[in-house]
Amino acid sequence: DAKTTQPTSMDCAEGRAANLPCNHSTISGNEYVYWYRQIHSQGPQYIIHGLKNNETNEMASLIITEDRKSSTLILPHATLRDTAVYYCIVRNTDKLIFGTGTRLQVFP
Amino acid sequence: DAGVIQSPRHEVTEMGQEVTLRCKPISGHDYLFWYRQTMMRGLELLIYFNNNVPIDDSGMPEDRFSAKMPNASFSTLKIQPSEPRDSAVYFCASSPVGSFTDTQYFGPGTRLTVL
Repeated sequence: DAKTTQPTSMDCAEGRAANLPCNHSTISGNEYVYWYRQIHSQGPQYIIHGLKNNETNEMASLIITEDRKSSTLILPHATLRDTAVYYCIVRNTDKLIFGTGTRLQVFP
Repeated sequence: DAGVIQSPRHEVTEMGQEVTLRCKPISGHDYLFWYRQTMMRGLELLIYFNNNVPIDDSGMPEDRFSAKMPNASFSTLKIQPSEPRDSAVYFCASSPVGSFTDTQYFGPGTRLTVL
C-alpha cells in the first residue's frame, strides 16, 4: 500500500469548513483513498472513500486531485463532536494500514 | 444491528496471566479483523479471518498471541502469558466482503492493562 502524509494537527472554528489534506504521491492506479476518524477512546469510524472522482456523503466530501497524488477531506460545517484523529489511507487489499493521522481540534 | 461487540471493555491482569478477548462481528459479515493500538505504535493489524479461516497473521507479535474464530459469530484473541508491554487497546472490526472497496466496522475496543 502507498504511504500517506498528513499534517499532525489542525484547528477549526465550529461552524466553519474543515479541510484536511493528505498527500499520497506514490498511489497506484488501483488504490482507493479511504478516510476514517477516531474520536477519543472509541473505535475508528468510516467516513468516505473514493478512487478518482470526488465523492460526497452525509458526513463529508472527498476531493481527489486529477493526478491522484493528493486529496482533501472536507467537513462542511464542523461541530465540536468532529474533534478527532482523522486517518487517510490508500488501499488495494483487504487490509487497512493506519498512519499517524491528523488530530483535528474544533473550537467554539 | 448492534454493531461489533467486544468484551470485556476493560481488563486488568497481572503479568503471566492468560487473557482472552472476545468479539462478535456484525451478522452476515464474512471478514473479521483484530487490531491493537498503543501510543508508541499506533493502530496495527494483528490478524484477520475470512469465513472463519485465518488469512494473514503476519501482524501477530509473538507466539504468546493466538486468535481463533470457531464460528461466524465469535472470535477470540488470547495472550498467554501476558506481559506489561501487551497493555493496549484491542479493537475488533468486521466487513461484509473484505475487498478494498469494502468498509470495516470497528467495535468499541478492549482496554487491556497488564501489571
